[in-house]
Order: sequence, then C-alpha cells, then structure tokens
Amino acid sequence: EAGVAQSPRYKIIEKRQSVAFWCNPISGHATLYWYQQILGQGPKLLIQFQNNGVVDDSQLPKDRFSAERLKGVDSTLKIQPAKLEDSAVYLCASSLDYRYEQFFGPGTRLTVL
Amino acid sequence: GEDVEQSLFLSVREGDSSVINCTYTDSSSTYLYWYKQEPGAGLQLLTYIFSNMDMKQDQRLTVLLNKKDKHLSLRIADTQTGDSAIYFCAERKGFKTIFGAGTRLFVKA
Repeated sequence: EAGVAQSPRYKIIEKRQSVAFWCNPISGHATLYWYQQILGQGPKLLIQFQNNGVVDDSQLPKDRFSAERLKGVDSTLKIQPAKLEDSAVYLCASSLDYRYEQFFGPGTRLTVL
Repeated sequence: GEDVEQSLFLSVREGDSSVINCTYTDSSSTYLYWYKQEPGAGLQLLTYIFSNMDMKQDQRLTVLLNKKDKHLSLRIADTQTGDSAIYFCAERKGFKTIFGAGTRLFVKA
C-alpha cells in the first residue's frame, strides 16, 4: 500500500513570501493531520480534518496559515506571508479514523530566510 | 503540567538495553504511543499501550505503564546501531494526539 505522499520535500523562501505544501493521504483514510515540527521539538498539531470537514484548528495561526481538503482526499497547507519562525518541518499524517494509527509522510522542510 | 515530558538524550552501547522514559499529562488518556523518527523521515508507530494495561511486550520492545504516576517507559532489548533515532512518547486525549519533544537515542558500536 502506498504511504502518505508530500511535496515538495524542501523549500527555501524569504520572509513575507508565500508557500504551499501538498499532501496525498493513504487511500481510504478519513482523517488527515498537518503537524509543525520545529527543530528539537515534537510535532504540534496545526489542523485535523475528518473527510473534508475541520475537526480541530485551534493551534493554526489563522492570520497567515490556511488549509483545505477538497473532496476529502488531498490537502494543501498555505502560509502567507511567511515569518522566520515558520521555519520547520511540516508533516502530514492520515488515519482510517482518529481512533486508529496515524501514518506519517516524510515531511516538507521549510526554511524562511 | 500541559506537556508530555521526556529526557532529551540517551546513549547506550550496542547490545545493552535502552530505557526511554516519559511523563504524560492526563490520567484519562486512553492510548499511549511510542513513535520512532529516523533522519529525514516522518514518524513511525513502534508500539502502543491501552490505558488499562500495565505492560506490553513486542519482540525487543517492552512498554511499562504506571497510571498512578502517569509514567510510561520503553525498553529496547539488545539495542542495535539501527535503533539510533528519535523516540517520541505521545498520548491520546479525546480525538487529539499530544507528542513529547522526543528522546534522541545514540547507540555506540
């Protein structure tokens, strides 16, 4: 079975620029997660989708971050405009349902200069 | 506290046992997890324990749970160089999973 796919793997931008990340979850997985992992820290949940509805976005900085999951499959996470402190690895994960094991993608490493 | 807490580093010799400790926050958490992260990769679920269990063994891995102290540990028997990675403790609270900062395990040959 194919795993969670993410692209790009690496991105370098200047502050105040915009950036978008893409995630393709495992087929049939209803729950999709976006995490931010700052160097030396554990993953922090940004947003959790159940199909195409948002379950939790309480830690998403909504003034600059947005995410969507059209048709309940692929998802994109956007940052506009980026700040230096957004430098991190952005991990996408999916699970059959929130009660089941999360499968993680390889992540996108974002560097904001 | 609000955070899942872990020590940051552990160094062991190849062949020895490794014990990674974690303190979690909520005694009502239903599942507790151990994830492994290798360089440049996402997290991989190693094992989990349900909150009504005290111990779970899976090949070289042993998980011990002390609910009274909210303490979770992961023991890796016969540690190998391939076990070098970051190990994350996590707890499920409702529909959310909260991760610790990770313990970096160094295995010396």
